[in-house]
Amino acid sequence: DADVTQTPRNRITKTGKRIMLECSQTKGHDRMYWYRQDPGLGLRLIYYSFDVKDINKGEISDGYSVSRQAQAKFSLSLESAIPNQTALYFCATSDHLYEQYFGPGTRLTVT
Amino acid sequence: AQSVTQPDIHITVSEGASLELRCNYSYGATPYLFWYVQSPGQGLQLLLKYFSGDTLVQGIKGFEAEFKRSQSSFNLRKPSVHWSDAAEYFCAKSGVDSSYKLIFGSGTRLLVRP
Repeated sequence: DADVTQTPRNRITKTGKRIMLECSQTKGHDRMYWYRQDPGLGLRLIYYSFDVKDINKGEISDGYSVSRQAQAKFSLSLESAIPNQTALYFCATSDHLYEQYFGPGTRLTVT
Repeated sequence: AQSVTQPDIHITVSEGASLELRCNYSYGATPYLFWYVQSPGQGLQLLLKYFSGDTLVQGIKGFEAEFKRSQSSFNLRKPSVHWSDAAEYFCAKSGVDSSYKLIFGSGTRLLVRP
């Protein structure tokens, strides 16, 4: 079984809708991250969390919110989706050594 | 501002040929450096990492990378490319604060000619 899972894997939604992307991990890591990937821009950090009570904004947090429900679960929400949030979203986890382990990604399309 | 630059957006090589993907970083005397690979429809997989010590590091799938402090570079190499190496490659560095964030380059897409 995969160590980092993301649901859904693909999602098409309409402008203005609320959507939640979920991430679960079995690696036992405290640190979890949400990134978005756009062609030609690499991965950009949206939010990160060091534990259930520690949530931090990344470089592009506007329009997004997160919830760390447990050590193993970290959800990303788009309160009112807009077309420029169409992207590939990745969840990642890490231990104390910077190395990050990525989920398979969620492809989100906002029409 | 901290940054990672991958100057080549696309690279095409013939199967069996050697490969070098370039990566330059700014800010940070001794950063932690990484190369990740993303196959189509997949997440990112760590190829190799440099923390300290020997500046030539070996990774999985026959890849290696060399850290050159004087050039602020961490180029990825492979002596003989296989068709299955076709993917997108990302270089990343650690941030200089204690946040354990990674800063990624924009990626290089590798195409392999038969």
